[in-house]
Amino acid sequence: SQQGEEDPQALSIQEGENATMNCSYKTSINNLQWYRQNSGRGLVHLILIRSNEREKHSGRLRVTLDTSKKSSSLLITASRAADTASYFCATRGIKAAGNKLTFGGGTRVLVKP
Amino acid sequence: TAGITQAPTSQILAAGRSMTLRCTQDMRHNAMYWYRQDLGLGLRLIHYSNTAGTTGKGEVPDGYSVSRANTDDFPLTLASAVPSQTSVYFCASSDEAGGNYGYTFGSGTRLTVV
Repeated sequence: SQQGEEDPQALSIQEGENATMNCSYKTSINNLQWYRQNSGRGLVHLILIRSNEREKHSGRLRVTLDTSKKSSSLLITASRAADTASYFCATRGIKAAGNKLTFGGGTRVLVKP
Repeated sequence: TAGITQAPTSQILAAGRSMTLRCTQDMRHNAMYWYRQDLGLGLRLIHYSNTAGTTGKGEVPDGYSVSRANTDDFPLTLASAVPSQTSVYFCASSDEAGGNYGYTFGSGTRLTVV
């Protein structure tokens, strides 16, 4: 079963606009991560936020985490056509042995030039 | 370029046949993982290995087996393929089995069982 659920499932925006996607999860976590997947390729790690952190930035990416609501958001600012991809959240549960991650179903983002 | 190599890139396999998907990493990561990705279901963990010599079952292990004889290699074997195993398979690794580390993924193997 999926731990994380992304919302929306698909998003279409114009180049230069911001893209926001959300992730909800069910059980307590150690950390939450976001990945990008271009069509036909493997996933690429974008950013990791720990359970005791509330916000993290990396370039044009901003991630927030609200453990009380069991939710996270990924904001991509000033989007580019190259940001077109699927974005997945993944959680490492507190009770998960090792570093096993549980992935959500993803948000497909289309950035139109 | 350092990373994970998966082979083959794609394969069409007759039902009932066996097949081994290969995964090799050159980053000396301790932990390795196999996921399958199906439309609408995201990625689901098949098997994992926290360190060489150990393996564990993930969410969907039935019909699959793995081995971890050394740090670099983590092959996934389908003993007798069935059509429901048609999927894209991703191998991944992380530096340590614990802690806060992201995964490095391979490019995937697209398997079609007919």
